[in-house]
Amino acid sequence: DVKVTQSSRYLVKRTGEKVFLECVQDMDHENMFWYRQDPGLGLRLIYFSYDVKMKEKGDIPEGYSVSREKKERFSLILESASTNQTSMYLCASSKPGLAGGGETQYFGPGTRLLVL
Amino acid sequence: LAKTTQPISMDSYEGQEVNITCSHNNIATNDYITWYQQFPSQGPRFIIQGYKTKVKNEVASLFIPADRKSSTLSLPRVSLSDTAVYYCLVGSMDSSYKLIFGSGTRLLVRP
Repeated sequence: DVKVTQSSRYLVKRTGEKVFLECVQDMDHENMFWYRQDPGLGLRLIYFSYDVKMKEKGDIPEGYSVSREKKERFSLILESASTNQTSMYLCASSKPGLAGGGETQYFGPGTRLLVL
Repeated sequence: LAKTTQPISMDSYEGQEVNITCSHNNIATNDYITWYQQFPSQGPRFIIQGYKTKVKNEVASLFIPADRKSSTLSLPRVSLSDTAVYYCLVGSMDSSYKLIFGSGTRLLVRP
């Protein structure tokens, strides 16, 4: 069974702290994603990676950075956490779609982050 | 990328068919449509995907009209365990990260 795991289910941090969220997938997928999920806003893409050390900004990258040193692992970094980054963070992975086809994303269980 | 709009919530009863429609007026030629299901405290899970016409699998059907400006997820004979949030996603076949999720439809199935 395919699996995407996230390092923590719940995190509480203080304003200004540096926060690391880790995601690991065991499906040998090239693509990995970080989203945040807020009530009424659905899922918004923060960053995307299509290969080791490769990344693209999503819709809301401000205040975040990412790291992908190994194919299976994708980290989201909050350089200096702020209260408006309190949210649910979801990681996903996928294989690039075949010509003429879409992709299926596999999601982790999410990390609920509270910044005080 | 196409903005997506879907109803905030829907109610149904066990055994009924439920249709959830997502509007994506500005969908591009190379965009595809995917629906995901999410239970509380879990990540979204793939349900079905399509490009045009009708797609069916063991859990749902997806209807996409010829103009592709909307899509309808159809869940046959829902049960209590289908209570969840359903998201439509419009993604681009040209680029894995060109995608937009709808804000989700909260489906409540009553006994």
